[in-house]
Amino acid sequence: KQEVTQIPAALSVPEGENLVLNCSFTDSAIYNLQWFRQDPGKGLTSLLLIQSSQREQTSGRLNASLDKSSGRSTLYIAASQPGDSATYLCAVRKETSGSRLTFGEGTQLTVNP
Amino acid sequence: GAGVSQSPSNKVTEKGKDVELRCDPISGHTALYWYRQSLGQGLEFLIYFQGNSAPDKSGLPSDRFSAERTGGSVSTLTIQRTQQEDSAVYLCASSYIQGTLAKNIQYFGAGTRLSVL
Repeated sequence: KQEVTQIPAALSVPEGENLVLNCSFTDSAIYNLQWFRQDPGKGLTSLLLIQSSQREQTSGRLNASLDKSSGRSTLYIAASQPGDSATYLCAVRKETSGSRLTFGEGTQLTVNP
Repeated sequence: GAGVSQSPSNKVTEKGKDVELRCDPISGHTALYWYRQSLGQGLEFLIYFQGNSAPDKSGLPSDRFSAERTGGSVSTLTIQRTQQEDSAVYLCASSYIQGTLAKNIQYFGAGTRLSVL
C-alpha cells in the first residue's frame, strides 16, 4: 500500500526566506506526483504536476523536483511572501490505479511579514 | 460554472441520520472524484466516476456510504446512519479526460464540512 509522508508538518518563516518542503512515498511505481495548495475553507489548488519521467517542474517562484527511484520530491519556494501561507499537500498517482491520488498529510506553512 | 461546486458547505447532523452531499463538477468534465479529509487522517480517496459509472469505489469505508452520478454531471454522496467517525470534510474533484487518464489534473471544490453530533 502506498504511503506518502510530508515533513515538516508545520513551518513558520519570515517573509523573503527561501524554503523547502519535503515529500516521500513508499512505492516508487508512480505515474506522476502533484503538489497542491489548500487555503482554509477552500478546496485544493494544483500547483505543479511532475510526470514520472521528469526530474523537475517550475512555475514562477515554485520549483518541484522528483527522484522517483528514492521515493522523494521537494517543493522549493523562493522569496516567500505572506500570501504563500497555506497547507501544501503532495499526492502521487500509481501507474496502475488509473485515477486515484494518494495524499500526504500536508505541511502547514506560515510566512510572517 | 467556473469551478467545482459543492453543497452544503457545512452540515451538522445527529448520529443515526442520513445525509446527502452534492457535487457539481466543471462543465464538460467527464471524471468525478470524492475524497474525505479527516483530522489526523489526511485526504483519502473514496470513489471515482467516469461518466455515470464508478470503475473504482474501493475507497468507500463501509456499506453505509454510497454515491451516484446522473447525466454525466451532478454527483451525490449519501451516508446512511451517520456515525461520529464520519465527521470530516468531503471534497469533490473533477477532471477532463484528454489522453491517458493519469495525466489529467483534478480540480477540487471547497468541500462540505460534516459534523455528526
